[in-house]
Amino acid sequence: GNSVTQMEGPVTLSEEAFLTINCTYTATGYPSLFWYVQYPGEGLQLLLKATKADDKGSNKGFEATYRKETTSFHLEKGSVQVSDSAVYFCARRLTGGGNKLTFGTGTQLKVEL
Amino acid sequence: NAGVTQTPKFQVLKTGQSMTLQCAQDMNHEYMSWYRQDPGMGLRLIHYSVGAGITDQGEVPNGYNVSRSTTEDFPLRLLSAAPSQTSVYFCASSYPGAVGELFFGEGSRLTVL
Repeated sequence: GNSVTQMEGPVTLSEEAFLTINCTYTATGYPSLFWYVQYPGEGLQLLLKATKADDKGSNKGFEATYRKETTSFHLEKGSVQVSDSAVYFCARRLTGGGNKLTFGTGTQLKVEL
Repeated sequence: NAGVTQTPKFQVLKTGQSMTLQCAQDMNHEYMSWYRQDPGMGLRLIHYSVGAGITDQGEVPNGYNVSRSTTEDFPLRLLSAAPSQTSVYFCASSYPGAVGELFFGEGSRLTVL
C-alpha cells in the first residue's frame, strides 16, 4: 500500500529537550519523503524533504534521514524551543503526476518552559 | 504576497445544502489539490488538477466535484452536504519542478449539521 505511519501524540517536552518523532512508510520503490509542520490556525508548510535513500533533509535545526533499510524517516531536533510547538506531519509522494502526497496522522508537539 | 487564498474560512451548513469552497493562487502554479483534515486521520486527498481543464480523483472524492477553468482557481463543490463532510479543508498548489513542495492555504472549517 501507500501508507505513512507516525507516532501518536501529543508529545510534551521541556525547552531544550531532544525531540524524535518516528515515521515509517510502506511503498514500492523509493518515494520522496517529507515533513510538514502546521502551526495553530495555519495551513501546512514544508519543513524538510529527502528525495532518495540515505539523503538527509534539514531545516531550522530539524533533521531527518531517509533510511531504506528500515523504511523510516524520523524527525529529530537537538534542542526544541517553545516556538516549535505545532503539529508535525510525515508524508510521502504518490506515483503519478500532480505532486500528490499521502500524509501520516500528525503528531502534536507542545514545548513548555 | 497572497499565495493560496481560501474562502470562506468558516461555514455552517444544514444536511442537503450545497456550497462551494473557493481556492485561488497567484503563483502561476500548474498543480492544485484539495485535502480534508480530520482528527486522527491526517490529511486525505480529495481531488487534484495538473492544469487548466484537467482534474482527477484522489483518495476520498465521493460527494465532491471540482473544475479547473483557469490556472488560478480551483473551486470545490459540495452538491448535497452530509455530516460526514464536517472537516477542515485545505487547498494546495505546486509546480512540476518542486518535488512534493505544496503551498497550502489557511484552511476552511466546514460544519454540516
